[in-house]
Amino acid sequence: EVQLVQSGAEMKKPGESLKISCKGSGYNFNNNWIGWVRQVPGKGLEWMGIIYPDDSDTRYSPSFEGQVTISADKSIGTAYLQWSTLKDSDSAMYFCGSQVDVGFFDHWGQGTLVTV
Amino acid sequence: IVLTQSPATLSLSPGERATLSCRASESISSRSLAWFQQKPGQAPRLLIHSASSRVTGIPDRFSAFGSGTDFTLTISGLEPDDFAVYFCQHYTNSLVYTFGPGTRLEI
Repeated sequence: EVQLVQSGAEMKKPGESLKISCKGSGYNFNNNWIGWVRQVPGKGLEWMGIIYPDDSDTRYSPSFEGQVTISADKSIGTAYLQWSTLKDSDSAMYFCGSQVDVGFFDHWGQGTLVTV
Repeated sequence: IVLTQSPATLSLSPGERATLSCRASESISSRSLAWFQQKPGQAPRLLIHSASSRVTGIPDRFSAFGSGTDFTLTISGLEPDDFAVYFCQHYTNSLVYTFGPGTRLEI
């Protein structure tokens, strides 16, 4: 069974750094794109970017390029979303998703709530 | 490419048929269009990929079609569990994805 398990909720202050995680299991983690989606409570979905763990090829939405860093550690099957300097506007729910069977996020994590 | 969804909110009753629209600002490949369903407090769920292909396990009351700039998701015989927010999504050749703003399907 494919599972994506995200790290727990975070409460941080503006200016702090943060790294949240998404651990994949039950599928070939290294050879399937995995990425992140932001959702401000009550608002729509914003696609942030994806990474191909095997070669770390990373694609970002223009809206998020330079604002966050997406990475993956294929030795432990985990993807990350990182901020170096958090802002109030980064407060949101963050979902990870993986493209296992098709070229869209067909498996999702449970979400990580970030409050700044 | 910008995706526009209409209507923003659709109010229907169980048993009725829902028709949701997703329009792209320029012509896109059907292969690059998907539909998601999201219920409150849950992660999105992929329903349809490649404009018209249902994901395994999605009931056949969900159907979708379209090409070029106009895409449609139809839900026939609405069940209480179908009332949710629906998003379309597109990806470019460089694998940059975009969601539409969503349609809220309410009872």
